[in-house]
Amino acid sequence: NAGVMQNPRHLVRRRGQEARLRCSPMKGHSHVYWYRQLPEEGLKFMVYLQKENIIDESGMPKERFSAEFPKEGPSILRIQQVVRGDSAAYFCASSPPRGPGREQYFGPGTRLTVT
Amino acid sequence: GESVGLHLPTLSVQEGDNSIINCAYSNSASDYFIWYKQESGKGPQFIIDIRSNMDKRQGQRVTVLLNKTVKHLSLQIAATQPGDSAVYFCAERETSGSRLTFGEGTQLTVNP
Repeated sequence: NAGVMQNPRHLVRRRGQEARLRCSPMKGHSHVYWYRQLPEEGLKFMVYLQKENIIDESGMPKERFSAEFPKEGPSILRIQQVVRGDSAAYFCASSPPRGPGREQYFGPGTRLTVT
Repeated sequence: GESVGLHLPTLSVQEGDNSIINCAYSNSASDYFIWYKQESGKGPQFIIDIRSNMDKRQGQRVTVLLNKTVKHLSLQIAATQPGDSAVYFCAERETSGSRLTFGEGTQLTVNP
């Protein structure tokens, strides 16, 4: 059973460009979470999605950031018009739809560098 | 706002010693706590979890203790090995399926 997959692992964008980060959850998991980690800091929640639904986006900046988890295919985190402050590691986690704990399992992350 | 924090940012131990990493939380509504290990360049790896109706849980070489009275969580690693060197994060969750709130992390270094 493959774990959570994220691609690309590293992404370099110039200021003003768009960044697209992809996340494929573990098999059987229908819940996806996105977190951002700045250097030397803990992870900060951004958004929680189920298939075709955004459940909680309270951690997502109001502008330039969007996320989706379509019926088919991976979850996408999109950052438009990137700025240097967007440089960070972005982690995706997935959890199963049922179970007492619904533990979140993390992918390897995408490291975004904005030049 | 509510937060989860760690007492010590760094911890250095000798191989074979036991390690204790501490965490304080302030959200009394949290009912689930997790410890993650993060190695350089990798995503957080689940280590052990505990629910608020328990005060201790043991895994392989690891034990998590929860003291709800003082809102304190600790991770004990027995016979620490060089492979245990990593940043350790505690995280808490208020309800099943919701977001995790992470602490800032403790860098554990194991000296051979």
